[in-house]
Amino acid sequence: EAEVAQSPRYKITEKSQAVAFWCDPISGHATLYWYRQILGQGPELLVQFQDESVVDDSQLPKDRFSAERLKGVDSTLKIQPAELGDSAMYLCAVSSRPNTEAFFGQGTRLTVV
Amino acid sequence: DAKTTQPNSMESNEEEPVHLPCNHSTISGTDYIHWYRQLPSQGPEYVIHGLTSNVNNRMASLAIAEDRKSSTLILHRATLRDAAVYYCVAGDAGNMLTFGGGTRLMVKP
Repeated sequence: EAEVAQSPRYKITEKSQAVAFWCDPISGHATLYWYRQILGQGPELLVQFQDESVVDDSQLPKDRFSAERLKGVDSTLKIQPAELGDSAMYLCAVSSRPNTEAFFGQGTRLTVV
Repeated sequence: DAKTTQPNSMESNEEEPVHLPCNHSTISGTDYIHWYRQLPSQGPEYVIHGLTSNVNNRMASLAIAEDRKSSTLILHRATLRDAAVYYCVAGDAGNMLTFGGGTRLMVKP
């Protein structure tokens, strides 16, 4: 069983529509991250949770993006409305303690048309 | 400013050692250096991490400079399956992982 399951794997949406991504990790990981990765670039942190609480969302475009982790396990990331520039891979990752191995999901590739 | 900087790409021959450099002159004294690698259409995979001492595991070795301004990931014998983008990542005490731009490693048979 994968440490982190993400769905959907691929999503095509029209601009101005709403889109949501899900991250379902196995339990036991206090920290959860959402990253955005534009093709050819390194992952950029959007939001970091410690249990249910947001500890950093400084790079999250809050006018259109929202994230939650209500029970401290799985998480959703939503974009409304989607823009063409949001086309990217969205990665979810978890870790148990600071400076230990982080486990990444396979990501959701979003294409906005 | 980026916490870590890496060359865009490197090339290696199969079964030879590979040394992937990373500069991180602005990291704090408590930031760890992590390395992850990413295959096409997959999420990053953990490779190794360390703070001050050199580290070894079954995948690779990590050599950290004494002044901690740079480090080198060492793959002892490159295989075709090691072809990937390798990221040097700064990890702070709050568990934030900041990725650099990565080095695309190409392995020639």
